[in-house]
Amino acid sequence: KNQVEQSPQSLIILEGKNCTLQCNYTVSPFSNLRWYKQDTGRGPVSLTIMTFSENTKSNGRYTATLDADTKQSSLHITASQLSDSASYICVVSDRGSTLGRLYFGRGTQLTVWP
Amino acid sequence: EADIYQTPRYLVIGTGKKITLECSQTMGHDKMYWYQQDPGMELHLIHYSYGVNSTEKGDLSSESTVSRIRTEHFPLTLESARPSHTSQYLCASSDTGANYEQYFGPGTRLTVT
Repeated sequence: KNQVEQSPQSLIILEGKNCTLQCNYTVSPFSNLRWYKQDTGRGPVSLTIMTFSENTKSNGRYTATLDADTKQSSLHITASQLSDSASYICVVSDRGSTLGRLYFGRGTQLTVWP
Repeated sequence: EADIYQTPRYLVIGTGKKITLECSQTMGHDKMYWYQQDPGMELHLIHYSYGVNSTEKGDLSSESTVSRIRTEHFPLTLESARPSHTSQYLCASSDTGANYEQYFGPGTRLTVT
């Protein structure tokens, strides 16, 4: 069964600190992995997208890693800001259908305190 | 920034009413999607469209219906709202290609009383 599991479910950190969010997936055949940021009451916004051959991709203070062999990904946030408080969703796409089916994790709820 | 719009943003309506959630995009994308999301849960695909006059049901069974008469417009309709329909509805669109980017609208928070 194709699944995407994220940990931790929630995380509280102090402003300025770094944090790492985890994503494990069983989706096969794998096409790409995306990280989205979703503010409360808003739609998700894409942070990074990585294909099978990419190990690391950065977007400002966000750095995503991918290990396609172990089917794991992480999102590292550097020097956190209050505006980083949001849900971070890991999404994996498969190659098995014309639609390019997306499998969504439940997200990690990050809260940054001043 | 992606240009995809949803209206209304919030809707509180009584049981049995017919509602239509609007979604429009100005990016000329062929593919459009509707997702349903409950608090703390993952997004579930309920409808998608490859283009004009093309609509398909997604993975999560839904009593809603959709139409795609114009490329930029993908409305979702509930003929008779029920409390079980209370949820957040997110519209998205994407271009074609293996690593297509999917852009989401701001969502409609529906509450059926």
